[in-house]
Amino acid sequence: AQKVTQAQTEISVVEKEDVTLDCVYETRDTTYYLFWYKQPPSGELVFLIRRNSFDEQNEISGRYSWNFQKSTSSFNFTITASQVVDSAVYFCALSESRGGYGGSQGNLIFGKGTKLSVKP
Amino acid sequence: DAGVIQSPRHEVTEMGQEVTLRCKPISGHDYLFWYRQTMMRGLELLIYFNNNVPIDDSGMPEDRFSAKMPNASFSTLKIQPSEPRDSAVYFCASGIQGDYEQYFGPGTRLTVT
Repeated sequence: AQKVTQAQTEISVVEKEDVTLDCVYETRDTTYYLFWYKQPPSGELVFLIRRNSFDEQNEISGRYSWNFQKSTSSFNFTITASQVVDSAVYFCALSESRGGYGGSQGNLIFGKGTKLSVKP
Repeated sequence: DAGVIQSPRHEVTEMGQEVTLRCKPISGHDYLFWYRQTMMRGLELLIYFNNNVPIDDSGMPEDRFSAKMPNASFSTLKIQPSEPRDSAVYFCASGIQGDYEQYFGPGTRLTVT
């Protein structure tokens, strides 16, 4: 069965610190997609990144970076020089492709989320 | 282009009443998902549709919950009768074949007293 584990329930940092949010996933499929979403206090879910299982290249977008390692089934998220506006709950999610690459979309399996508090 | 639209944004109702949540997906999207978020269970899928046809409803908690998608631009999630334990935020999301990203609506916060 698919499963996403975010072991860190809450993290608190001071502004400008770097912080890494961990995500470990389980799946038996060879084709799958991994996501990170941000949920600020206002409650909406904001898409941050998508990665497919064939692309292990790490990605950097501004202060955000993601480290995908199939060998350890991990997809960790790092915020560099954190800011107060980064305070939110961050969710890692897994979606399997039904029928392989380009196949039918499945639902998202979410982790429990990590609440990040960035203090000034 | 408008995103996923959900209504109402907030709903407060008494136990036993019928509740109907509404969702308008992004135009052209052929997948529609209903999720529920609670403190205890986190974000979990209730049901999803592809081309207006229900594909997986294994997450629907019980017979009190029903969902329909009469056309490509509208879906409803109905709870009848509602119970206090149904209090949660209900999200609707839509997606398109081959993209795998799901675009979430703002959610409906349901409180059943």
